[in-house]
Amino acid sequence: KQEVTQIPAALSVPEGENLVLNCSFTDSAIYNLQWFRQDPGKGLTSLLLIQSSQREQTSGRLNASLDKSSGRSTLYIAASQPGDSATYLCAVEGGSYIPTFGRGTSLIVHP
Amino acid sequence: DGGITQSPKYLFRKEGQNVTLSCEQNLNHDAMYWYRQDPGQGLRLIYYSQIVNDFQKGDIAEGYSVSREKKESFPLTVTSAQKNPTAFYLCASSQGLASSYEQYFGPGTRLTVT
Repeated sequence: KQEVTQIPAALSVPEGENLVLNCSFTDSAIYNLQWFRQDPGKGLTSLLLIQSSQREQTSGRLNASLDKSSGRSTLYIAASQPGDSATYLCAVEGGSYIPTFGRGTSLIVHP
Repeated sequence: DGGITQSPKYLFRKEGQNVTLSCEQNLNHDAMYWYRQDPGQGLRLIYYSQIVNDFQKGDIAEGYSVSREKKESFPLTVTSAQKNPTAFYLCASSQGLASSYEQYFGPGTRLTVT
């Protein structure tokens, strides 16, 4: 069964730092990987979707990479801002087409 | 605006009562999902539906039921058989069950059962 792990579980950084959030998965036979943002008490907002044939996707200050063979993805956040404070979740989709979610990384960016 | 709505935002019920959570989407998506989120946990899949009048159990379907009579609507009933119903419930949809489709989420319903 697919297992998804996100490290670190929590992160607190000063504004302006470049950040790397990690997501690892046990079964490399995936179709895609999606990164989400969740604000407290709210639903999930899709940030980036990487297909299995892709190595990375970029949106503004966000860059997500995928290495299927090693079972890893990273979300890079450039020049972090207090508004980036949220929980970031990754989800991988395999043969069943049903995503498996990690527990998330809780990020605080302080001014 | 296109999107997914869930109502109500907060719901309180007494133990032993069934309760139905609403999920509506106007994105014309075929697939819909229900997840449960507990503090410090990832999302766990309760039920999903690929098309109208069809739905499948997820990892934690016991104590829950769903219906999919319309493409836009996928209500979730939390029955009295669910042992620990207090949680944050999230509804999602996607164009279909295929690898290229993103999932879109509603704002969630927080259910408290006492």
